[in-house]
Amino acid sequence: AQTVTQSQPEMSVQEAETVTLSCTYDTSESDYYLFWYKQPPSRQMILVIRQEAYKQQNATENRFSVNFQKAAKSFSLKISDSQLGDAAMYFCAYRSALNTGTASKLTFGTGTRLQVTL
Amino acid sequence: EAQVTQNPRYLITVTGKKLTVTCSQNMNHEYMSWYRQDPGLGLRQIYYSMNVEVTDKGDVPEGYKVSRKEKRNFPLILESPSPNQTSLYFCASSFLATTYEQYFGPGTRLTVT
Repeated sequence: AQTVTQSQPEMSVQEAETVTLSCTYDTSESDYYLFWYKQPPSRQMILVIRQEAYKQQNATENRFSVNFQKAAKSFSLKISDSQLGDAAMYFCAYRSALNTGTASKLTFGTGTRLQVTL
Repeated sequence: EAQVTQNPRYLITVTGKKLTVTCSQNMNHEYMSWYRQDPGLGLRQIYYSMNVEVTDKGDVPEGYKVSRKEKRNFPLILESPSPNQTSLYFCASSFLATTYEQYFGPGTRLTVT
């Protein structure tokens, strides 16, 4: 079974600075997808960024980028120019590329709560 | 607007009183799933459905039931709720192929006393 580990329960960053959230995962599969979800106080789960394991190029979405190290099974999220609205819980998640029922689920880490200070 | 809806958003109930949390999506997704979120544990899958009348257990199915009689609806049923089912519940849906994003509902905060 796949596991996802987020070792930083809480992080803090000053507005306009850069912060990196860590995520490691364990899998025996070679093809899969990785995600970062943001959960603001509204509790809504918002997809921030996704990475396909077969792509070597790191995904970027505006101020959000990832550092995907497949051999090390590491998938960190970098937030540049942090804004107050970035304050939220961030979850790293894994999904197999196998198109079966069990494999279609998202496996989540335990989350990192990001605080943004002035 | 493409969306997943859940009702109710908040629910306080007592042990043993049957309840249903509804989930509906308007995107014609085949795949639907229920997750529960608990502090320090992240989100864990309860049940999922690959299509109408096709459901199966996830990682934490004990104490829950589901049904999928229509493609758009996937209700979560707690026949005899217990305090350890106090949690935040999310419904999610997607097209079957794993390349597609899963869309989440707004969540249901359940408290069982």
